[in-house]
Amino acid sequence: EVQLVQSGAEVKKPGESLKISCKGSGYSFTSYWIGWVRQMPGKGLEWMGIIYPGDSDTRYSPSFQGQVTISADKSISTAYLQWSSLKASDTAMYYCARLAYYDILTGMLAWFDPWGQGTLVTVSS
Amino acid sequence: EIVLTQSPGTLSLSPGERATLSCRASQSVSSSYLAWYQQKPGQAPRLLIYGASSRATGIPDRFSGSGSGTDFTLTISRLEPEDFAVYYCQQYGSSPFFGGGTKVEIK
Repeated sequence: EVQLVQSGAEVKKPGESLKISCKGSGYSFTSYWIGWVRQMPGKGLEWMGIIYPGDSDTRYSPSFQGQVTISADKSISTAYLQWSSLKASDTAMYYCARLAYYDILTGMLAWFDPWGQGTLVTVSS
Repeated sequence: EIVLTQSPGTLSLSPGERATLSCRASQSVSSSYLAWYQQKPGQAPRLLIYGASSRATGIPDRFSGSGSGTDFTLTISRLEPEDFAVYYCQQYGSSPFFGGGTKVEIK
């Protein structure tokens, strides 16, 4: 079974750093792009960026470029999303999801399946 | 960028009824590059439909997708109790965008 398992909920203060994780299993982790999606409280879904664990090639949504860092450690089949200085507005649920495919030539991303269970990040003083 | 508008915002129906959800794009979506997801409270989204009309693995055949160009539809032929949820459409692209969602609630 293809599965993505994310790290647990986090409560942080503004200005703190954070790194959350997403571990893949049941498939060749280095052969598929992994994406991160944000869902703010009571809101919809926003694509943040993707990474190819095979070579750590990373692409960011313009809305999130410079705000977060996406990385991966293929030796342990894990992708990461990190912040260097959290803000209250980063409070949200964050999902990782496997990208069906990515066309490097056109920059086209396809659909996401499956999804991790989500990591709730709460930033509050 | 392509903006997706889902309607209605909320759909109030009874179990057994037919649900018709709309997703309209601000520009034509290439080659029916559109997906649908279901999200239940406290759960992650789940892929239902990709390529506008192809059901994902394990999705019951009461779910169907149709449309092309700028107008797409997700139809649930007969609502089961577990189908009451929020549904999102997503267009593929250089920056995949999600619609705002349609909540299907019990009437």
